[in-house]
Amino acid sequence: DSGVTQTPKHLITATGQRVTLRCSPRSGDLSVYWYQQSLDQGLQFLIQYYNGEERAKGNILERFSAQQFPDLHSELNLSSLELGDSALYFCASSVGSGGTGGWSYGYTFGSGTRLTVV
Amino acid sequence: AQSVTQLGSHVSVSEGALVLLRCNYSSSVPPYLFWYVQYPNQGLQLLLKYTSAATLVKGINGFEAEFKKSETSFHLTKPSAHMSDAAEYFCAVSFTGANSKLTFGKGITLSVRP
Repeated sequence: DSGVTQTPKHLITATGQRVTLRCSPRSGDLSVYWYQQSLDQGLQFLIQYYNGEERAKGNILERFSAQQFPDLHSELNLSSLELGDSALYFCASSVGSGGTGGWSYGYTFGSGTRLTVV
Repeated sequence: AQSVTQLGSHVSVSEGALVLLRCNYSSSVPPYLFWYVQYPNQGLQLLLKYTSAATLVKGINGFEAEFKKSETSFHLTKPSAHMSDAAEYFCAVSFTGANSKLTFGKGITLSVRP
């Protein structure tokens, strides 16, 4: 157990639907990162939150959004789902962010949510 | 922009043989480099990291990597492969600054033959 908890582990939904993926970071970690892993695109950075604030944005579609709550858990919302959104979605956490130096410890990854859009 | 290149998508070795997984980086500022391993149906686990201290970095499970600035490389090695090493391996780069995100390579699948 890495200490980063992601729920649900598996999700099957239809095109056009909306889903919410949840992540609880490791105790003491303030940063949460979301990544999408697919066979053709590999691991793609989506978005980072640090202590409740959005810190960096990557290749995140406008149909996707995220937030980090005061208790530091994060949710990734995916809407108007398409077949191509089927992928593994990983959450990772780290102690700090950027200039605070906490990133240098590396990230701790959750076991992911496998999303299948049918 | 920073990036990493992992040559090849699949490496196969015999049990007991040397493991060498290649990673080259591109960064306009001093990089910080990481190797992660992903076992089937699991998340990514940090193997080792280079953060400007010693250039030869030792990680878990007998793996090590050497940072070579002149070659812009950070290859992962293990002297003797074990069946349990079969997994996918990712090289990643980051740098200090406001944006600390990791940029991953495409990954290399390591197979170990008995």
